[in-house]
Amino acid sequence: DGGITQSPKYLFRKEGQNVTLSCEQNLNHDAMYWYRQDPGQGLRLIYYSQIVNDFQKGDIAEGYSVSREKKESFPLTVTSAQKNPTAFYLCASSIPTGGQPQHFGDGTRLSIL
Amino acid sequence: GENVEQHPSTLSVQEGDSAVIKCTYSDSASNYFPWYKQELGKGPQLIIDIRSNVGEKKDQRIAVTLNKTAKHFSLHITETQPEDSAVYFCAGTSGGGADGLTFGKGTHLIIQP
Repeated sequence: DGGITQSPKYLFRKEGQNVTLSCEQNLNHDAMYWYRQDPGQGLRLIYYSQIVNDFQKGDIAEGYSVSREKKESFPLTVTSAQKNPTAFYLCASSIPTGGQPQHFGDGTRLSIL
Repeated sequence: GENVEQHPSTLSVQEGDSAVIKCTYSDSASNYFPWYKQELGKGPQLIIDIRSNVGEKKDQRIAVTLNKTAKHFSLHITETQPEDSAVYFCAGTSGGGADGLTFGKGTHLIIQP
């Protein structure tokens, strides 16, 4: 079955540490996205990529970085500069033309030790 | 940019009754409005979507209506069942859709037996 796989499901970060969240898709989608979800909040866009080797900042990119070296993969690094990283992180993908549904993975929950 | 507001934040209905969740958006250029259902610990799942050239769309017990003039859209669930209990998010797109979705803050729907 095609879909999006996020790993790990749970991740713990120590102070001053960078951590990387994995997102892999086999839907053959060109566009991929990272969202952050906090309790009682909607999803907020961190970064998105419409094509390999290109990505754009979303609404809350500070303290995060991404890469897009392969169509299937869009890893997100939460850097030590992100002072409040505890959240549920969701990756999605879609066809990169207007008005297409986004398909989500089951998320990674990041907590601070 | 786009701003999406969603009401109510919590909705409790008796099993078998109907539920309505409402969203408003700010960007008149938005042209795609999906609804997602999110269960605890999972990623959002698309349940229905509507494009700006359509006023209403139905899929079994679920329907979405769109009023472009008033810039609001609503999710209607009829004959609610216990498995409908979840958090529902509305979203809208601006900037062509491939720039990511702007989400409402979610509605926690509780179906009372």
